[in-house]
Amino acid sequence: KQEVTQIPAALSVPEGENLVLNCSFTDSAIYNLQWFRQDPGKGLTSLLLIQSSQREQTSGRLNASLDKSSGRSTLYIAASQPGDSATYLCAVEAGSYQLTFGKGTKLSVIP
Amino acid sequence: GAGVSQTPSNKVTEKGKYVELRCDPISGHTALYWYRQSLGQGPEFLIYFQGTGAADDSGLPNDRFFAVRPEGSVSTLKIQRTERGDSAVYLCASSSSGQLTGELFFGEGSRLTVL
Repeated sequence: KQEVTQIPAALSVPEGENLVLNCSFTDSAIYNLQWFRQDPGKGLTSLLLIQSSQREQTSGRLNASLDKSSGRSTLYIAASQPGDSATYLCAVEAGSYQLTFGKGTKLSVIP
Repeated sequence: GAGVSQTPSNKVTEKGKYVELRCDPISGHTALYWYRQSLGQGPEFLIYFQGTGAADDSGLPNDRFFAVRPEGSVSTLKIQRTERGDSAVYLCASSSSGQLTGELFFGEGSRLTVL
């Protein structure tokens, strides 16, 4: 059974810092990996999707990498802003149309 | 509508009651998913529809849970004889294809509290 772990569970940084969120998964036979953002009391917003054949994806200040063989992904956020404060969730799909999610990393960016 | 719409946003019910949660996906999206998110956890898969049919219902926890999508658009998640452990946020998502190569669009969820 696929398990997804996200470290750290919570992170607090001052505004302007660059930061890295980590995601690991136990079964490397994945179809794709996605990073989502969740604001309190809200649904999930897709940030980046990396296909299994890709190594990274970039969108603005966000960069996500994927190392399928080692079962790891990182989400890099450059020049963090208070508006980046949210919970970030990593999810993998193994070809069964089901996403397996981690528990998320709660990010707080302090002005 | 512009996004995935879920109603009600909040539902409080008593143990043993029947509950229906509705999801209105983005127009034209053929794939629809239900997930359940408990406090402090990531969402867990419940069921996936491609068109009108449930292509995968392996995530439904037991036979008290049932979902339908009769016309291939709106979906209803039905929970019979609710239990306190059913309390969670129920999230609906849709995508333009059944292949998860595309982006999933989530609604804001229906928060269910069973007293």
